[in-house]
Amino acid sequence: GQQLNQSPQSMFIQEGEDVSMNCTSSSIFNTWLWYKQDPGEGPVLLIALYKAGELTSNGRLTAQFGITRKDSFLNISASIPSDVGIYFCAGRRGNNAGNMLTFGGGTRLMVKP
Amino acid sequence: GAVVSQHPSWVICKSGTSVKIECRSLDFQATTMFWYRQFPKQSLMLMATSNEGSKATYEQGVEKDKFLINHASLTLSTLTVTSAHPEDSSFYICSASPYYSYNEQFFGPGTRLTVL
Repeated sequence: GQQLNQSPQSMFIQEGEDVSMNCTSSSIFNTWLWYKQDPGEGPVLLIALYKAGELTSNGRLTAQFGITRKDSFLNISASIPSDVGIYFCAGRRGNNAGNMLTFGGGTRLMVKP
Repeated sequence: GAVVSQHPSWVICKSGTSVKIECRSLDFQATTMFWYRQFPKQSLMLMATSNEGSKATYEQGVEKDKFLINHASLTLSTLTVTSAHPEDSSFYICSASPYYSYNEQFFGPGTRLTVL
């Protein structure tokens, strides 16, 4: 199936550093979602974005829905070891659950204490 | 709230056997449930979308006769991998959308299937 272009694929950073990752698409999405997946677990929703230009925070996490509706980014400030995991962006074209989510390839984050 | 469970969390089976995986929404009713497959170090790939009381919609390339989906109630969907083979070994994850917030999907913890 189609995937969103998510970058970087992996990051290895020092504890305390800020992190930025993004997703781009050639198609327009009406909803952007960011998930975190720990090993052997299902994805957990971090932030949901519903309007172009929307900027939403969840603790140290901030995500934005691009104006063109073709991209989104996620920032993590002051990273800590428990931020380790795989972060996925996901987009939905429609506004009902009948429209599937398209996932990015994931960003594997590693944090050195 | 919005908890989704899966059972079993892992299963090992012999080639040729069938395996059933359950997905339950514990504290909400889900009009739609989704089944994904995830291979190691890869993203989630949607297999099928199921709506309660109707046939599942399968993604291109997913064999509906091999991956049987039954969405019998608003809180339960099952995925049966029939005549499993080693190449079916994967991490299977379900998600559910609450009827009150159909924009969101809540994921289960996944089921690790290993076919010997």
